[in-house]
Amino acid sequence: KAGVTQTPRYLIKTRGQQVTLSCSPISGHRSVSWYQQTPGQGLQFLFEYFSETQRNKGNFPGRFSGRQFSNSRSEMNVSTLELGDSALYLCASSSGQGDEKLFFGSGTQLSVL
Amino acid sequence: GQNIDQPTEMTATEGAIVQINCTYQTSGFNGLFWYQQHAGEAPTFLSYNVLDGLEEKGRFSSFLSRSKGYSYLLLKELQMKDSASYLCAVRDPGGGSYIPTFGRGTSLIVHP
Repeated sequence: KAGVTQTPRYLIKTRGQQVTLSCSPISGHRSVSWYQQTPGQGLQFLFEYFSETQRNKGNFPGRFSGRQFSNSRSEMNVSTLELGDSALYLCASSSGQGDEKLFFGSGTQLSVL
Repeated sequence: GQNIDQPTEMTATEGAIVQINCTYQTSGFNGLFWYQQHAGEAPTFLSYNVLDGLEEKGRFSSFLSRSKGYSYLLLKELQMKDSASYLCAVRDPGGGSYIPTFGRGTSLIVHP
């Protein structure tokens, strides 16, 4: 079974731009969650999608948004980028049925200049 | 709200035993996870505890005390490859989600 795939692996943007990150979950998994990881704050939860619906959301501003498609692939978008958005963005997939062992992708390293 | 605490950094010697502690305060509880993350890589699942007691899996064991809001990860016969960040995560279904909340991680450095 293929693992969780995130693209792109690295991204460099400038302040004010917007960015879209992609995540393909493990086949059969219907839940995709997104995390931001920084050295100072650790892994912080952004949001979770299950069957194309946002099921839960963390404490991030509205500039951070996401969606999930019918094939369970998910995208997250960050608009009006700020320097503080520089981080590793991880997505994780799970069955969404309560057995919530998360399988993580390798992440997208975003640098905002 | 949720509060998960674990030490920032620990060092140990190859072949030794190390215990990484995690304390948590959550409004509800439905399981505690430990993940391992090597530098530049994705976190990978190590263990899951939902009932009190010790779960052993090879060189790694995880303990949970729900009444104390406390868990530890025990690593035996340390190897250099065990140098990594260890993340404690707690699942609190009170908010309607089964997605765990992570602590900031403990960076373990294993010396020869």
